[in-house]
Amino acid sequence: DTGVSQDPRHKITKRGQNVTFRCDPISEHNRLYWYRQTLGQGPEFLTYFQNEAQLEKSRLLSDRFSAERPKGSFSTLEIQRTEQGDSAMYLCASSYRTNSRDTQYFGPGTRLTVL
Amino acid sequence: GQQVMQIPQYQHVQEGEDFTTYCNSSTTLSNIQWYKQRPGGHPVFLIQLVKSGEVKKQKRLTFQFGEAKKNSSLHITATQTTDVGTYFCAGSNYQLIWGAGTKLIIKP
Repeated sequence: DTGVSQDPRHKITKRGQNVTFRCDPISEHNRLYWYRQTLGQGPEFLTYFQNEAQLEKSRLLSDRFSAERPKGSFSTLEIQRTEQGDSAMYLCASSYRTNSRDTQYFGPGTRLTVL
Repeated sequence: GQQVMQIPQYQHVQEGEDFTTYCNSSTTLSNIQWYKQRPGGHPVFLIQLVKSGEVKKQKRLTFQFGEAKKNSSLHITATQTTDVGTYFCAGSNYQLIWGAGTKLIIKP
């Protein structure tokens, strides 16, 4: 399968614990995005990388969230001291951006439940 | 900041009826993309529109981009049960700004 993969698919944690999610993008894609989606809403942008550089981070994103893409391939998203409000689907997408195109291909998501 | 508004939030139709969703951006877009998300699934890319006034068709789906490149629509003719899901528009300048989606519900 050459699509975007995410691990784990589901995560249940207790409030206050740290969690880390992994995303493996499509191999030739230079951009990688993280989104959060809650029920009935569209994807909410969190951050994105061009190769290994983190180019933008949402102002809505708390300091408890951090993302890395150390070698410009896979990425990790860490949430520290989780809160119940962090419960959501965390989606990763990748794209190969050109001047005219930036189609994003999504992974299956990681569903986080904070108890 | 830039916003993309999408209406309606839900649309209930009988199978065989048409469906339309509309997107409006607060700013001019370089392009607009449409995605479909099935229940329990992730967004899947449908199409990208780039040119002012552009119209593209995919079988029963017709996508339009407004002349001012600030609005767009998706029209589905004669809906089928396989069309069920949420349709999102996402407007692009330097990053994608997503609409809230329109959920297509087929009445039993």
